[in-house]
Amino acid sequence: DVKVTQSSRYLVKRTGEKVFLECVQDMDHENMFWYRQDPGLGLRLIYFSYDVKMKEKGDIPEGYSVSREKKERFSLILESASTNQTSMYLCASSGTGLVAFFGQGTRLTVV
Amino acid sequence: KNEVEQSPQNLTAQEGEFITINCSYSVGISALHWLQQHPGGGIVSLFMLSSGKKKHGRLIATINIQEKHSSLHITASHPRDSAVYICAVRSNSGGSNYKLTFGKGTLLTVNP
Repeated sequence: DVKVTQSSRYLVKRTGEKVFLECVQDMDHENMFWYRQDPGLGLRLIYFSYDVKMKEKGDIPEGYSVSREKKERFSLILESASTNQTSMYLCASSGTGLVAFFGQGTRLTVV
Repeated sequence: KNEVEQSPQNLTAQEGEFITINCSYSVGISALHWLQQHPGGGIVSLFMLSSGKKKHGRLIATINIQEKHSSLHITASHPRDSAVYICAVRSNSGGSNYKLTFGKGTLLTVNP
């Protein structure tokens, strides 16, 4: 059974904190993605990575950074969390077959 | 204007009804995905289409490349089909061909 696992289902952080969201996939996929999902806006791409140590900005990268030191792990970093980063964060991965597999999501609240 | 438009935004049906959700897109694509998201957040890929029609159980997905339109049909709907259904396209116009552009989703509620 293929798996994309996000480290937390729910997180509450304070404004200004550094936040790490972790994603691990066990399918040896090259491509990994971080999205945020907000009501009325759908899923928006923050960053993606097509190989270890390679990353590209998505549509809304401001306030975020990413790290991919190993093929199976893709981390999203909020350097200084703000209330407008309260959202549902979804990680996904895909291989050459291009079918996307999603994690269960992390609901982040910044207070 | 969003590159991917879904309709309707919300849909309420009675158990057993035939359901259709539509997706129109404005860019050239290499593939179109239909995704299902249940309350709680997890997203499951239902179909990936580049032409024609696919069927899985009570779900049928069709795509018309010339008209830039796809439909997701659910036959004999059931309350467990209640979810958000999301259309996403993979553009074939330069750049990264593994990025998806998403519609805003259709919230389906099936009442018993």
